[in-house]
Amino acid sequence: EAQVTQNPRYLITVTGKKLTVTCSQNMNHEYMSWYRQDPGLGLRQIYYSMNVEVTDKGDVPEGYKVSRKEKRNFPLILESPSPNQTSLYFCASSSVAGGTEAFFGQGTRLTVV
Amino acid sequence: SQQGEEDPQALSIQEGENATMNCSYKTSINNLQWYRQNSGRGLVHLILIRSNEREKHSGRLRVTLDTSKKSSSLLITASRAADTASYFCATPPRGGGTSYGKLTFGQGTILTVHP
Repeated sequence: EAQVTQNPRYLITVTGKKLTVTCSQNMNHEYMSWYRQDPGLGLRQIYYSMNVEVTDKGDVPEGYKVSRKEKRNFPLILESPSPNQTSLYFCASSSVAGGTEAFFGQGTRLTVV
Repeated sequence: SQQGEEDPQALSIQEGENATMNCSYKTSINNLQWYRQNSGRGLVHLILIRSNEREKHSGRLRVTLDTSKKSSSLLITASRAADTASYFCATPPRGGGTSYGKLTFGQGTILTVHP
C-alpha cells in the first residue's frame, strides 16, 4: 500500500530538548516536504527536498533542520524546540514536484512546554 | 499571503444537498489541486485540474477552473455525513526552479453535513 509514515503521532516535550520526527515513503518519490498547520494560519511549508542530498527552505524554516540521505526518508529535526513550535506537522511526498498529487502522512501533533 | 483563498470559511448543509466551495488564487498556475482533511488527520488528494482544463469530474466531485478570474470551485453532489471535513485548494508555482514543488494552501472550507 502506497503510504507516507510519520512517527511519532503525538509528542510532548520540554523546551530545548532536541527531537526528531521521522518520515518515510514507499513510493520512490523524488519530492518530499514538511508542513506545519496552525489554526488561522493554514498549512505552511517548512522545508522541502527535490531529491537525495537536495533540500531547501520553505516559508517557515527557522528552528528546523532536515536531511535527505536516502530517497525514502526525510526526517525533521528540532534542535532546541520552543513553545511556538507547538503545532501539527505533516510530511508529504510526490513523484513530480507540483505536477501530481501529494501524499500526506497522518500528522504529528507536537506540544512543547 | 496565501496563494489560495477558500470561500466560504464554513458551510453547513443537510445530507443529500450539494456543497459548493470556491478558491481564488493570485498568480499564474500550471494546475490547481483540491484536498480533503478529516479532523486532525492527514490531507487526502481529491482531484487535480490543469490550467488548460475548464472542468473535471471524479465521482460526486466536479471541479471547475477559470484562469481568467483566477478561481476554481469544488462541487460535491448528493453530500453524505462522511463528507464532513475541511477542504483545501492548493497550487504549485508556475515555472521551474527548486521552488516548483511547493504547494501553497488556502485556509480551507470547513464542511459539515448533517444526517
